[in-house]
Amino acid sequence: AQKVTQAQTEISVVEKEDVTLDCVYETRDTTYYLFWYKQPPSGELVFLIRRNSFDEQNEISGRYSWNFQKSTSSFNFTITASQVVDSAVYFCALSEVNNDYKLSFGAGTTVTVRA
Amino acid sequence: DSGVTQTPKHLITATGQRVTLRCSPRSGDLSVYWYQQSLDQGLQFLIQYYNGEERAKGNILERFSAQQFPDLHSELNLSSLELGDSALYFCASSVGGGTSGNEQFFGPGTRLTVL
Repeated sequence: AQKVTQAQTEISVVEKEDVTLDCVYETRDTTYYLFWYKQPPSGELVFLIRRNSFDEQNEISGRYSWNFQKSTSSFNFTITASQVVDSAVYFCALSEVNNDYKLSFGAGTTVTVRA
Repeated sequence: DSGVTQTPKHLITATGQRVTLRCSPRSGDLSVYWYQQSLDQGLQFLIQYYNGEERAKGNILERFSAQQFPDLHSELNLSSLELGDSALYFCASSVGGGTSGNEQFFGPGTRLTVL
C-alpha cells in the first residue's frame, strides 16, 4: 500500500500566484518523520524540510511554508508568490521507526510556474 | 551542492553487462543510502550502509549489490543488466545510522541507460 500520497500530479500557475501541494501519509507508528524534497529540471534532489511526528507547529521559511496536521495525516506545502525558479517536481516522504527509518516517497507533484 | 558526490554522471551500456556506480558521502556522514528513480516505479529505496555495515534493505534485486568501504565511500554494483534497469540512481548520506529520522542529502545521481 502506498504510504505517501500526493494526489496532484501536475500544477501550473502564473508567477506570483500561491501554490499548495498536498501530501497525505499513512503509518501506524507514533514516531515518524516527514520530509519535502525538490527536484529541479537539473535532476538533483534538494532537501527542504524535516518534521517529526511530535511537532505539529507550522513552519515558514521565506516563501515556503508547511502545514502539518496529524488529525488528517497531512503535511502540505505552500509556495507563496511563486517564481519561475520554483518550477520542479516536489516529493513528500515518510520515515518510520518501524521501517528502519527508510524514506518512502510519494509519486511527486510537478509544479510549472509560467512567467 | 549537497556535498554528496556520485560518479559517473551518465552511463550507457548493453543488456547483460555489469556496471559500478560510486558515491562519496558528505564529510562526517556515516550512512549511505541508494535509491532508484524510474518512470514506472518512482523513487525506491534500495539499500543502506552505516559505517561499513549493511543496515537496511529495500526493493533491491539479487542482481544488485552494494558495499561501503573503510573510507565510507560506497559502490553499487548492477549485473546482468536488463532494459528495465535504466533509471536514475541516487546516493544519499546522513549523519545518523538510520536509528532516527535524520535528513538525507542526495547526490546528483547517475543516469544509467541500458540498450
